[in-house]
Amino acid sequence: KNQVEQSPQSLIILEGKNCTLQCNYTVSPFSNLRWYKQDTGRGPVSLTIMTFSENTKSNGRYTATLDADTKQSSLHITASQLSDSASYICVVSASGGSYIPTFGRGTSLIVHP
Amino acid sequence: DTEVTQTPKHLVMGMTNKKSLKCEQHMGHRAMYWYKQKAKKPPELMFVYSYEKLSINESVPSRFSPECPNSSLLNLHLHALQPEDSALYLCASSQVYSTSGSYEQFFGPGTRLTVL
Repeated sequence: KNQVEQSPQSLIILEGKNCTLQCNYTVSPFSNLRWYKQDTGRGPVSLTIMTFSENTKSNGRYTATLDADTKQSSLHITASQLSDSASYICVVSASGGSYIPTFGRGTSLIVHP
Repeated sequence: DTEVTQTPKHLVMGMTNKKSLKCEQHMGHRAMYWYKQKAKKPPELMFVYSYEKLSINESVPSRFSPECPNSSLLNLHLHALQPEDSALYLCASSQVYSTSGSYEQFFGPGTRLTVL
């Protein structure tokens, strides 16, 4: 069964600090992995997409890594800001068959001033 | 225009009511999706439309009835809902429907539904 596990479930950090969120998956055959940011009561917004051949991808202060061998991804946030407070969801897609992405449960990040 | 819009933002309905949720995009996308999201849970896929045709129905109860009148619009008709159907309903669109999931889904802000 395809699964996506995220850790930690929640995280509280001070403004300006860095943090790293983890995503482990068992989706197969792997097609791509996306990190989404979801503000409370809003729809998710894509931050990065990574395919099998990509190890690192950056989007401003967000840097995602992918290790396709260990089936792990991380999202590193640098110099956090209050606006980074949100839920971060890892979504993994399999290739072939019908496209039904597997969503992780998300990591709830709170940035305190 | 890179936006997916959803109306209404909030909806409160009784179990005997009939209501509809609307979703609109003008990005020329030919795939549209409905998701249901409960608090502190990830979105759950309900329906996928590809070129205005229903491609995926994730065993959703018949009290939810989707409709895609044209390539820009997606409706979700609600009838005889239960209190446990209260959730955030998200609409999304992508350029096309791909079995590899390689096309980014753009999400709307959602409709917060409360069933009394």
